[in-house]
Amino acid sequence: KNQVEQSPQSLIILEGKNCTLQCNYTVSPFSNLRWYKQDTGRGPVSLTIMTFSENTKSNGRYTATLDADTKQSSLHITASQLSDSASYICVVSAEPVRFGAGTRLTVKP
Amino acid sequence: DGGITQSPKYLFRKEGQNVTLSCEQNLNHDAMYWYRQDPGQGLRLIYYSQIVNDFQKGDIAEGYSVSREKKESFPLTVTSAQKNPTAFYLCASSVSTANYGYTFGSGTRLTVV
Repeated sequence: KNQVEQSPQSLIILEGKNCTLQCNYTVSPFSNLRWYKQDTGRGPVSLTIMTFSENTKSNGRYTATLDADTKQSSLHITASQLSDSASYICVVSAEPVRFGAGTRLTVKP
Repeated sequence: DGGITQSPKYLFRKEGQNVTLSCEQNLNHDAMYWYRQDPGQGLRLIYYSQIVNDFQKGDIAEGYSVSREKKESFPLTVTSAQKNPTAFYLCASSVSTANYGYTFGSGTRLTVV
């Protein structure tokens, strides 16, 4: 069983709408939790990083939250754009690093 | 600009052939990693190296080999022993350990023909 579970597996939304992606993890302890954006056929790019003591971190229209008690993180995307269409990967920095399988987001006009 | 470069972007392998994927970084990072990405799965670690002339097996090292003769370079060879090599391969680097986060290359898609 993967120690980092992401949901939903895929998501389709209309341009301009908001959405929230979920990441549940069982890895403990860990030093930080990151969200990456991966465009099709490209390498992942870091969006946010949170230590275990942080609750929220924003990067433009992306806001990540972390609840260390429930071992859940979420990535909220506001006012989605067509360029947000990508896979979003949750990564827990422990030893070893654990990757979620990603959520495939499609933003339609 | 500093970065990490993978080549080629697309690679085709015949049955029984060895192929080598290139990964070069000019970020002065000590650690480098190779991951395999398959649809619906998280990235899986093949090999990693935290210092020149030293490397460690990851979760799925069988059928792969690496070398780290220079700090900047970490090539991955997919040998004929790897029975299901068709996948997207990602190289990454980090300052020292993965706790500092990765910089990823743009990937190589390997297809067996």
